[in-house]
Amino acid sequence: AQSVTQPDIHITVSEGASLELRCNYSYGATPYLFWYVQSPGQGLQLLLKYFSGDTLVQGIKGFEAEFKRSQSSFNLRKPSVHWSDAAEYFCAVDARYGGSQGNLIFGKGTKLSVKP
Amino acid sequence: NAGVTQTPKFRILKIGQSMTLQCTQDMNHNYMYWYRQDPGMGLKLIYYSVGAGITDKGEVPNGYNVSRSTTEDFPLRLELAAPSQTSVYFCASSYSLLNKWDEKLFFGSGTQLSVL
Repeated sequence: AQSVTQPDIHITVSEGASLELRCNYSYGATPYLFWYVQSPGQGLQLLLKYFSGDTLVQGIKGFEAEFKRSQSSFNLRKPSVHWSDAAEYFCAVDARYGGSQGNLIFGKGTKLSVKP
Repeated sequence: NAGVTQTPKFRILKIGQSMTLQCTQDMNHNYMYWYRQDPGMGLKLIYYSVGAGITDKGEVPNGYNVSRSTTEDFPLRLELAAPSQTSVYFCASSYSLLNKWDEKLFFGSGTQLSVL
């Protein structure tokens, strides 16, 4: 069965520092992978997604993620974190039933705190 | 530009009570979804719909019912509320294109439900 693991529950970084959030997946075929961000009291917003092709994916708000098949990973990165990036980040894999992108398996999330 | 609207934002129920969580979207999306998010967990799919009159179970459907009589509305019904249904509920929608990987999920801002 598909699964997603986010090993870090909570990460704190200083403003301006680089960021990497880890995501590992378990899936039998080529996965479709996503990163979503959830600000407090809000619904989720798509940051980026990977379906095929270039393994380095660019997203919104200056985020990028790299798909590494050999490591079953899809880590999210940002070179310089802003205070407004403080939020919870979810990695997800497409569960593939129903034929729609919305049938996703989510990780438990990583909460990002940003120090001034 | 409303997007996906969920009501109510907060609700407290007693065990055994019933209620309906409302979700409406004004983007003419054919796909709609209900997720629940428990503390420290990712979202889990409860039910989804690929169009008016068509619904199907997700990962955690027990204790819930849905209907989709119109494209715009996708209400979620709890018949006999239980403490295990204390959660934050998110509705989402998307438009399935021929190239389905262009889809983007739009989320509502959530309903926080407590069952005591």
